Amino acid sequence: NAGVTQTPKFQVLKTGQSMTLQCAQDMNHEYMSWYRQDPGMGLRLIHYSVGAGITDQGEVPNGYNVSRSTTEDFPLRLLSAAPSQTSVYFCASSYPNRGNTEAFFGQGTRLTVV
Amino acid sequence: GIQVEQSPPDLILQEGANSTLRCNFSDSVNNLQWFHQNPWGQLINLFYIPSGTKQNGRLSATTVATERYSLLYISSSQTTDSGVYFCAAKKTSGSRLTFGEGTQLTVNP
Repeated sequence: NAGVTQTPKFQVLKTGQSMTLQCAQDMNHEYMSWYRQDPGMGLRLIHYSVGAGITDQGEVPNGYNVSRSTTEDFPLRLLSAAPSQTSVYFCASSYPNRGNTEAFFGQGTRLTVV
Repeated sequence: GIQVEQSPPDLILQEGANSTLRCNFSDSVNNLQWFHQNPWGQLINLFYIPSGTKQNGRLSATTVATERYSLLYISSSQTTDSGVYFCAAKKTSGSRLTFGEGTQLTVNP
């Protein structure tokens, strides 16, 4: 049971480049989400999804796109990277409102935009 | 959305000391979790505790849902306990997990 898997673990981008951060979970969780963590701060929600085909914005969605075509995968796209997007990105999954709602997190992706 | 506040923001201990970290939240919840972020940046699930009390070795946690707070107790602290401790909560009627700003714990030998 792999849990939540994020790739890559590290990435350096040039300003203006695009990339996709991958997130996959094998727990059949309905809810998946992306957070960013900046130095000395807590985690802030970027986008989330309550099921395949359904996504919504969190606190800091600008500059990021998401889609949820399957239950297992929830990729995060940076269309035109900016230095302000230098951060550590975490993906999480859970059952939001039935049974055990515990959230599980991936190991994080450390992104630097130069 | 729900507000999550943690205290203290920073805590410095000598090895062997005990400590209590607090998390206040502003709404009824069906998820309250404590995490430890280690020096490598990984988020480690410590407790899933929307109500009641749990213990795991030297760590224990209590959530009093009716009074909207949770406490994390660390006993006989070790240097490996150092790092940031986060509390996160989700409203019963919502889907988002909201984090507090964390408590930075330093345990000195």
